[in-house]
Amino acid sequence: GAGVSQTPSNKVTEKGKYVELRCDPISGHTALYWYRQSLGQGPEFLIYFQGTGAADDSGLPNDRFFAVRPEGSVSTLKIQRTERGDSAVYLCASSLGLNTEAFFGQGTRLTVV
Amino acid sequence: DAKTTQPTSMDCAEGRAANLPCNHSTISGNEYVYWYRQIHSQGPQYIIHGLKNNETNEMASLIITEDRKSSTLILPHATLRDTAVYYCIVRVALGGWRIKAAGNKLTFGGGTRVLVKP
Repeated sequence: GAGVSQTPSNKVTEKGKYVELRCDPISGHTALYWYRQSLGQGPEFLIYFQGTGAADDSGLPNDRFFAVRPEGSVSTLKIQRTERGDSAVYLCASSLGLNTEAFFGQGTRLTVV
Repeated sequence: DAKTTQPTSMDCAEGRAANLPCNHSTISGNEYVYWYRQIHSQGPQYIIHGLKNNETNEMASLIITEDRKSSTLILPHATLRDTAVYYCIVRVALGGWRIKAAGNKLTFGGGTRVLVKP
């Protein structure tokens, strides 16, 4: 596709459940980023990958959050034992290199009830 | 990365220039100024960036003061579709070993909510 694709666009889950959020970056982009955006606030950095490895995961709030990018393309953000406070829009972005502009997807709106 | 300060909101008239200020008084010599915007229900969109010279592209112009402590994003002819939250971000220019340390990690503040009115 032409842009960063995130699926699903909306996800409603019950407290305590496990969820996976998927990100398809722009083809050829080596860097991939996850951000989280709560209502009325700017996006907050979670983690970024350079290729297959997580180069910086300092933004992950706790060990319930984990992300993978096994083949250096698609990435999955995994949240275990979801809590109501995890409700937010999860944004994925990719860039051709580390110093080039980042392109964002539309986000996945996660609602934990 | 240096902290930025932006007005919370501003209105502008359709067809007129919109001037969005940003203060970054603690900016370092190796830090760029980036602007992104976020239209409702969409992901952020890159607009422009600069180091010390003024920059212009098809979307906007970026004016950086000589001391680099502030900048202004100019939308030359605002349209209703320019209604969005505009984020001013300061990010270190990467080189050598620091590339792996920071990447394209962006620190967003609250931004300026711009409403373009007919």
